[in-house]
Amino acid sequence: DVVMTQTPVSLPVSLGGQASISCRSSQSLVHSNGNTYLHWYLQKPGQSPQLLIYRVSNRFSGVPDRFSGSGSGTDFTLKISRVEPEDLGDYYCLQSTHFPYTFGAGTKLELK
Amino acid sequence: EVQLVESGGGLVQPGRSLKLSCLASGFTFSNYGMNWIRQAPGKGLEWVASISSSSSYIYYADTVKGRFTISRDNAKNTLYLQMTSLRSEDTALYYCARRYLDYWGQGVMVTVSS
Repeated sequence: DVVMTQTPVSLPVSLGGQASISCRSSQSLVHSNGNTYLHWYLQKPGQSPQLLIYRVSNRFSGVPDRFSGSGSGTDFTLKISRVEPEDLGDYYCLQSTHFPYTFGAGTKLELK
Repeated sequence: EVQLVESGGGLVQPGRSLKLSCLASGFTFSNYGMNWIRQAPGKGLEWVASISSSSSYIYYADTVKGRFTISRDNAKNTLYLQMTSLRSEDTALYYCARRYLDYWGQGVMVTVSS
């Protein structure tokens, strides 16, 4: 199975500041079709996870441009600029290149 | 508007069975593969199973293989998860999600306890 190592576990930030979350996979996430199926989710307290970034760097519908994704192969990063209160919660990366799909363990974005 | 509504959860004794449903609307259900994902209380997300649009391809996590069965009825726009031989470690909030995990339901709670 592909192991997704997500860091940090907890990330204290100030409103208006920047945040960066890393996700590394134990093997390449490049599919045989050439696409890389690495996605980022935010789960706010008491809510379902919501898709932020799909296939490494594509913002999902309605996601503000403060969120950006980058990376390739086995090393990926989610960056949040100008953090707002509604950005607080648990962030997860997900790989859906290989079965079984696997998630990172999560990063809690909280106020400093 | 895409909507996914899970139902069928509850409290069940170890070793018993339960069947979850996920009613889809707002998109052409028969064109999309679907997934089940679960989240134990206070824990992270765990993918459980996937099914292709025509049920031709089905995949399971090792933790549920042989005990859970994913299925769908495209005429009813409904996804199912039949869970048997339930264990305490299956206690979780179960979400259904569309093919690329772009849309998720609100989840349904399953508690396995005597």
